[in-house]
Amino acid sequence: DAGVIQSPRHEVTEMGQEVTLRCKPISGHDYLFWYRQTMMRGLELLIYFNNNVPIDDSGMPEDRFSAKMPNASFSTLKIQPSEPRDSAVYFCASSKLADQETQYFGPGTRLLVL
Amino acid sequence: EDQVTQSPEALRLQEGESSSLNCSYTVSGLRGLFWYRQDPGKGPEFLFTLYSAGEEKEKERLKATLTKKESFLHITAPKPEDSATYLCAVRISGAGSYQLTFGKGTKLSVIP
Repeated sequence: DAGVIQSPRHEVTEMGQEVTLRCKPISGHDYLFWYRQTMMRGLELLIYFNNNVPIDDSGMPEDRFSAKMPNASFSTLKIQPSEPRDSAVYFCASSKLADQETQYFGPGTRLLVL
Repeated sequence: EDQVTQSPEALRLQEGESSSLNCSYTVSGLRGLFWYRQDPGKGPEFLFTLYSAGEEKEKERLKATLTKKESFLHITAPKPEDSATYLCAVRISGAGSYQLTFGKGTKLSVIP
């Protein structure tokens, strides 16, 4: 299996621009998680989905952030408009129902907002 | 507020010098404590899950233990390839809650 795939791996954008991060979970996994990692705050859960349905988005910082999962093999995290404080590494992770507590992380997207 | 605190923030060891990393937690209704390893530029990689006080798990040179207030990750005779950041996380009780709350990690450097 290819593991969790994220794109792009690096993104540099200017403040005010829209940013879209993409994730392909491991095939057959039922849960998908979006995390953000910074030096100051560590790894924080933003939102997670079960069978493509958002379950808990309480970690989403504000309305500028939105996430979708249109099907079992694709999810997006969108920031509009982006701000410098959004600069971080964004990880996507997935897990399967039979072993839902073992999360498999993707390589992350390093976002820099200038 | 639930908290997960890891110490030390950074640790340098000589190859073969055994030591322990600490993860202390103040959560209500612990449903699992997790250890992950993160290499630079990569996502965290799952190592262990512990569910109850007294439980231990081992993998190669690593052994994780759990008490009611903290977990230790013991590293026996480390090698340079064990250098990484080690993260612990907790899952708390709650209907449908599969959230993990992570500590900030311990950066381990093993010097040849």
